[in-house]
Amino acid sequence: QAVLTQPSSLSASPGASASLTCTLRSGINVGTYSIHWYQQKPGSPPQYVLTYKSASDNQQGSGVPSRFSGSKDVSANAGILLISGLQSEDEADYYCMIWHRSTSVFGGGTKLTVL
Amino acid sequence: EVQLLESGGGLVQPGGSLRLSCSSSGFTFGSFAMNWVRQAPGKGLEWVSSISRFGDGKFYADSVQGRFTISRDNSKQTLYLQMNSLRVEDTAIYHCAREYGDDGPFDYWGQGALVTVSS
Repeated sequence: QAVLTQPSSLSASPGASASLTCTLRSGINVGTYSIHWYQQKPGSPPQYVLTYKSASDNQQGSGVPSRFSGSKDVSANAGILLISGLQSEDEADYYCMIWHRSTSVFGGGTKLTVL
Repeated sequence: EVQLLESGGGLVQPGGSLRLSCSSSGFTFGSFAMNWVRQAPGKGLEWVSSISRFGDGKFYADSVQGRFTISRDNSKQTLYLQMNSLRVEDTAIYHCAREYGDDGPFDYWGQGALVTVSS
């Protein structure tokens, strides 16, 4: 079982909200981890979006709109990237990442389509 | 402006070697841990290796352990990745990335260098 699991794709309409999930493997408690999120558009390197550990411990990437926010669903053992007021420019691949035992681990990525 | 620029990619036969470089500018290189992350064609991101600010801490993904070596020269503001015993499955774009804080996010990324392992 992968350390981080993301749905492979998600579709949403312009102006709507999209909730991207990143589920941690059983036995790895989401509450103790900072979840880092990245956006990648075709032909470009990933760009840092934000980090969420708790309501009082989180940070936004430089220049990232406040439409992007993070949270956790402890009951589902998952980190969440919420994008509100979807715009066509938000269409991209999104990856979550954690540091686990001195190594970095990425989720498989979610392709977000805005249509 | 923070900039990271990879070089040294190319075509190499299986079993061969290659050294990637990542030159930096716009920040105090020696104040940040650095990482290599790769992306195979059409696939997701895979972390490869990290190195601490002074080079005394190095970590590797299981997939490259024993074959790849990360290093840095703070006086030259440059990060390196020596890749030996290359395999077809090492084919990917290799990005260097700056790590913000301890176990922090990768806040800046280079455009990447393409490494192709093929006979």
